[in-house]
Amino acid sequence: GDSVTQMEGPVTLSEEAFLTINCTYTATGYPSLFWYVQYPGEGLQLLLKATKADDKGSNKGFEATYRKETTSFHLEKGSVQVSDSAVYFCALITANAGGTSYGKLTFGQGTILTVHP
Amino acid sequence: GAGVSQSPRYKVAKRGQDVALRCDPISGHVSLFWYQQALGQGPEFLTYFQNEAQLDKSGLPSDRFFAERPEGSVSTLKIQRTQQEDSAVYLCASSFPRGRTEAFFGQGTRLTVV
Repeated sequence: GDSVTQMEGPVTLSEEAFLTINCTYTATGYPSLFWYVQYPGEGLQLLLKATKADDKGSNKGFEATYRKETTSFHLEKGSVQVSDSAVYFCALITANAGGTSYGKLTFGQGTILTVHP
Repeated sequence: GAGVSQSPRYKVAKRGQDVALRCDPISGHVSLFWYQQALGQGPEFLTYFQNEAQLDKSGLPSDRFFAERPEGSVSTLKIQRTQQEDSAVYLCASSFPRGRTEAFFGQGTRLTVV
């Protein structure tokens, strides 16, 4: 079945440091890839997405590129802020053989990011 | 409402008690999902509705778990005879239209079974 593996956390950085959170996946179909973020006390929010190979998703200074050859979707940000402290989840939706999908998400285990001033 | 609303936010149940968790999706959203998130883990799929039809319940861990969406809007996840391993955050998400579109999540219900 489909699966997502994220780098183990927690990750602790100083403000303005460079961030990478690794994500790799296994999928039988043609996945769309997502990063969701969960800020303290809030629900999961979509951060960015990419629906086909070589697509780059970006939002709020975060970027991730869909790499089919390495089955990866690593999250990066050039300069993190204290307000980026949250839990980050990599996830995928797989299309079935007919190319359709109802949107069931498969998540990684999450990576806790803490940014210090 | 503006977002997905879940109630209650917190629920403490004694082992063996039945619980019901409510989800109000975004108005007009066709798809509704329930996920279970254990402490320190990512959410795991439980079940999926398209309008009132439950099209996938493959993630429900046992026959003690039951979900319904009788009028295609509000959904209820019911857990009978709760056990300690049921302790988790239960997340509801909705989306429109079907497919690879963004799912909007509620804040979840944290269930603690004592």
